[in-house]
Amino acid sequence: DAKTTQPPSMDCAEGRAANLPCNHSTISGNEYVYWYRQIHSQGPQYIIHGLKNNETNEMASLIITEDRKSSTLILPHATLRDTAVYYCIVRRKNSNYQLIWGAGTKLIIKP
Amino acid sequence: ETGVTQTPRHLVMGMTNKKSLKCEQHLGHNAMYWYKQSAKKPLELMFVYNFKEQTENNSVPSRFSPECPNSSHLFLHLHTLQPEDSALYLCASSQGRGQGGDEEKLFFGSGTQLSVL
Repeated sequence: DAKTTQPPSMDCAEGRAANLPCNHSTISGNEYVYWYRQIHSQGPQYIIHGLKNNETNEMASLIITEDRKSSTLILPHATLRDTAVYYCIVRRKNSNYQLIWGAGTKLIIKP
Repeated sequence: ETGVTQTPRHLVMGMTNKKSLKCEQHLGHNAMYWYKQSAKKPLELMFVYNFKEQTENNSVPSRFSPECPNSSHLFLHLHTLQPEDSALYLCASSQGRGQGGDEEKLFFGSGTQLSVL
């Protein structure tokens, strides 16, 4: 599986868009990009995933570059409840369930 | 509510005790997972069960013994643990056909915070 690189921490003002970057330069053609977040002392929560095209759901948007070597998670109107650690994970289609969880990005939303 | 319930939420045990963690999912999923999250460390996959069969065992010490009686329930039996086993233990489930995309979205429980004294 490809490894991912994320900044360790970011701040964002409440009500503004939070843009969280992720580099996955060794990604292969059949690997999906997944994003999860973990609020303190809780289990991780699925946010969104994509393969090649940009994706949007009720929680966020995922922008994947054309070469697929990086992606950006966008929380369009961040609230205080979005403060969490955000994980970018790349996993292989038909994988053996192995995910490589990194340290993620600690996102702090400030009032 | 994620549809995955773990009990207990907190557990303190001595090194000679035997205890069990329980996980139940109400999502109709076929794959269930145990993860370990130590303080300030990434999540580590411990075990995977797919259609009640163990498909992954990530070199976990034998003092951790998983049990999956059916697709909805998963247990982690603990015995003679060490203080370094203190961690948050997370259960997750997914549809489990290994095809990626929607089918492999993980739904996590809230975890059991385990302290070994």
